[in-house]
Amino acid sequence: NAGVTQTPKFRVLKTGQSMTLLCAQDMNHEYMYWYRQDPGMGLRLIHYSVGEGTTAKGEVPDGYNVSRLKKQNFLLGLESAAPSQTSVYFCASTGGWSGNTIYFGEGSWLTVV
Amino acid sequence: EDKVVQSPLSLVVHEGDTVTLNCSYEVTNFRSLLWYKQEKKAPTFLFMLTSSGIEKKSGRLSSILDKKELSSILNITATQTGDSAIYLCAVNTGTASKLTFGTGTRLQVTL
Repeated sequence: NAGVTQTPKFRVLKTGQSMTLLCAQDMNHEYMYWYRQDPGMGLRLIHYSVGEGTTAKGEVPDGYNVSRLKKQNFLLGLESAAPSQTSVYFCASTGGWSGNTIYFGEGSWLTVV
Repeated sequence: EDKVVQSPLSLVVHEGDTVTLNCSYEVTNFRSLLWYKQEKKAPTFLFMLTSSGIEKKSGRLSSILDKKELSSILNITATQTGDSAIYLCAVNTGTASKLTFGTGTRLQVTL
């Protein structure tokens, strides 16, 4: 049972390049999330989804887009990467009620130069 | 705006010491408070506290929720070097089970 899997784990981008981070979960979870973690800032919510075909903005959505075409996958896109998007990105998922445990992926380290 | 504040920001203790980590919150809709331990990679779940479960214990770790004071503490007794990590507090505000995180407490346990 893989849980929550993120790819790629590490990536270096040049300013202005685009890329997509993929999150896949095999627990049949309804809710999925993308967070970013920066030093001294804790984890901040970028976008989230409450089901296949739905997405919503979180706390820091600017510069990112997301899609949830399949229930098990949640994609995070950077259309034109900026150095301020250098961060560690975590995907998470949960079954959809407040008593459920929220599971995190291993993280994706992104550097924009 | 929902806010979660943790203190201290960092802490260095000797192996065998007992530590208490603090978390306070101001949120519009409280469903639960969660504690996570983060070493090098993903946060790993420790406890979830709710109105119906305000105290949890697992081995040397325990946590209490004070709904009146809008706060929680995480206690670690007889600390070990393996307890060195960042401890994150998060509040589930119910809407889509979104979590609002504190900045974390970095704990270092030395020999």
